[in-house]
Amino acid sequence: KAGVTQTPRYLIKTRGQQVTLSCSPISGHRSVSWYQQTPGQGLQFLFEYFSETQRNKGNFPGRFSGRQFSNSRSEMNVSTLELGDSALYLCASSLQGASPYEQYFGPGTRLTVT
Amino acid sequence: AQRVTQPEKLLSVFKGAPVELKCNYSYSGSPELFWYVQYSRQRLQLLLRHISRESIKGFTADLNKGETSFHLKKPFAQEEDSAMYYCALPCPRDDKIIFGKGTRLHILP
Repeated sequence: KAGVTQTPRYLIKTRGQQVTLSCSPISGHRSVSWYQQTPGQGLQFLFEYFSETQRNKGNFPGRFSGRQFSNSRSEMNVSTLELGDSALYLCASSLQGASPYEQYFGPGTRLTVT
Repeated sequence: AQRVTQPEKLLSVFKGAPVELKCNYSYSGSPELFWYVQYSRQRLQLLLRHISRESIKGFTADLNKGETSFHLKKPFAQEEDSAMYYCALPCPRDDKIIFGKGTRLHILP
């Protein structure tokens, strides 16, 4: 099976802009989770989608949003970008849910905000 | 509150020496903990989970409910063990996973 794919792999944006990141899960996986990875905070949970429904959300401002399509592909949107949003954004898929099942991670999208 | 603590940001160990990566958790229930690993230029991947009680790449981890710990151990470190290690606590009621901040393991030659 093909692994989790994320596009684009690298992105440079300016403060105030908005950005959309895409994630394609492993075929058959219905759950997609998003994480922000930074050297200082490690991995922080953003949200999880299952069958097009957001089931849980982490402690991030409303500027961070997402959605999932009927084919389980997911997008994450960040509006009004801030310098602190610079991070590696990881997407992970699993068969039935984020917990307690094994998650399969994508390579990430490296977002740099200038 | 659910929490995972990895007290060491960086751990340097000589090749052949024992390794112990610490993980402590806070959880009101019966936890199922995981260790994930991220090698340089590779994806984050599951290393092991406590319910399987298996040894992967020579690593083992025992859940100690009394000390609320799930330390990762290996008797003899190898250079290829150098990586970032994350302890993870699945929270089924919230359908999310809480990760610790990670420990970078550096194996010295």
